[in-house]
Amino acid sequence: LAKTTQPISMDSYEGQEVNITCSHNNIATNDYITWYQQFPSQGPRFIIQGYKTKVTNEVASLFIPADRKSSTLSLPRVSLSDTAVYYCLVGEGTGGFKTIFGAGTRLFVKA
Amino acid sequence: DTAVSQTPKYLVTQMGNDKSIKCEQNLGHDTMYWYKQDSKKFLKIMFSYNNKELIINETVPNRFSPKSPDKAHLNLHINSLELGDSAVYFCASSRKNTGSSPLHFGNGTRLTVT
Repeated sequence: LAKTTQPISMDSYEGQEVNITCSHNNIATNDYITWYQQFPSQGPRFIIQGYKTKVTNEVASLFIPADRKSSTLSLPRVSLSDTAVYYCLVGEGTGGFKTIFGAGTRLFVKA
Repeated sequence: DTAVSQTPKYLVTQMGNDKSIKCEQNLGHDTMYWYKQDSKKFLKIMFSYNNKELIINETVPNRFSPKSPDKAHLNLHINSLELGDSAVYFCASSRKNTGSSPLHFGNGTRLTVT
């Protein structure tokens, strides 16, 4: 399984764009990159998933360079309610898949 | 309608007891999981079932026994509870057993063993 490395914590202010980068140097050909958000006392919630280039949805954008050894989650104009832990995961696209969560990035948005 | 629901939300019990946590998903997903989140907030996979068949069993003591009566349910039974079992247990499901199928989590069961 590809291991991921992301910053332990980040601070931001309301209205700013936040970019969280995740390194996954040994990502395999079949691996997808998935980001989750977790609030206290809740289960992780799926944010966005990508395989290569750029993916955008109503919540975030995911930038993946050509070598796929890293990815950047971009949250536009964060609000206080975006304070949470963000997990980057890389997993196989084949059977027997198991999602391994790392320590995540604790984002704290200040007023 | 809650997509992945687990009960109870809180469970306080004494060492040595046996307890169960129930999980149900109404998403029509093929695969269900149990995760454990300890006090350091690391999420660790415990079990995975695909179409009622156990496919992942991650070095979990055999005091923990999952049971999947059908594709929509995955229950977790724990025998002879120990202090170290105190954690938050999350149930999750995914459409398929692949990395391209995102997980949908329940809101967790906080187990406290005294």
